[in-house]
Amino acid sequence: NAGVTQTPKFQVLKTGQSMTLQCAQDMNHEYMSWYRQDPGMGLRLIHYSVGAGITDQGEVPNGYNVSRSTTEDFPLRLLSAAPSQTSVYFCASRNREGGYGYTFGSGTRLTVV
Amino acid sequence: AQSVTQPDIHITVSEGASLELRCNYSYGATPYLFWYVQSPGQGLQLLLKYFSGDTLVQGIKGFEAEFKRSQSSFNLRKPSVHWSDAAEYFCAVGAPSGTYKYIFGTGTRLKVLA
Repeated sequence: NAGVTQTPKFQVLKTGQSMTLQCAQDMNHEYMSWYRQDPGMGLRLIHYSVGAGITDQGEVPNGYNVSRSTTEDFPLRLLSAAPSQTSVYFCASRNREGGYGYTFGSGTRLTVV
Repeated sequence: AQSVTQPDIHITVSEGASLELRCNYSYGATPYLFWYVQSPGQGLQLLLKYFSGDTLVQGIKGFEAEFKRSQSSFNLRKPSVHWSDAAEYFCAVGAPSGTYKYIFGTGTRLKVLA
């Protein structure tokens, strides 16, 4: 049982480049979210999805796109990378009943130069 | 506004000493409450959770937390810290089922002295 799998683990981009961070879960969870983690700021929600075909914006959505064509996959797209997007990105999933907490992936460390 | 406060950014304890990490929240109703641990270079792992019942909850790795409604607090405790507990700890709150959003505190980094 793999849980939540994120790829790649590390990435360096040049300003203006685009890329997709992959996230897959094998727990049949309905809810999936993308967070970014920056020093001293905790985790901030970028986008989330409550099921296949349904996505919405979180606190810091600018510069990112998501889609959810299947229950398992929830990729995060950076449209035109900026140095301000240098961060650690976490994908997380949970079932509809919120009391069991999110399961997190191991993260993608992204540096934009 | 909904918020989670972890007032201690860094805490240092000696191995074998007791530990208490503080978490205070502001929320419209009693939320679901969580503590997560993050080891360097890793994702977040759920330590324990509270959503009803006994206000003292037990988690993994010997941790426990107590929900105090009157103080809007959910402090994490461990009687005897091990060197492997050195990590960053995050408190989080979430609404009851049907909503997506969790609010995370900014974290407390624990250092353990041998």
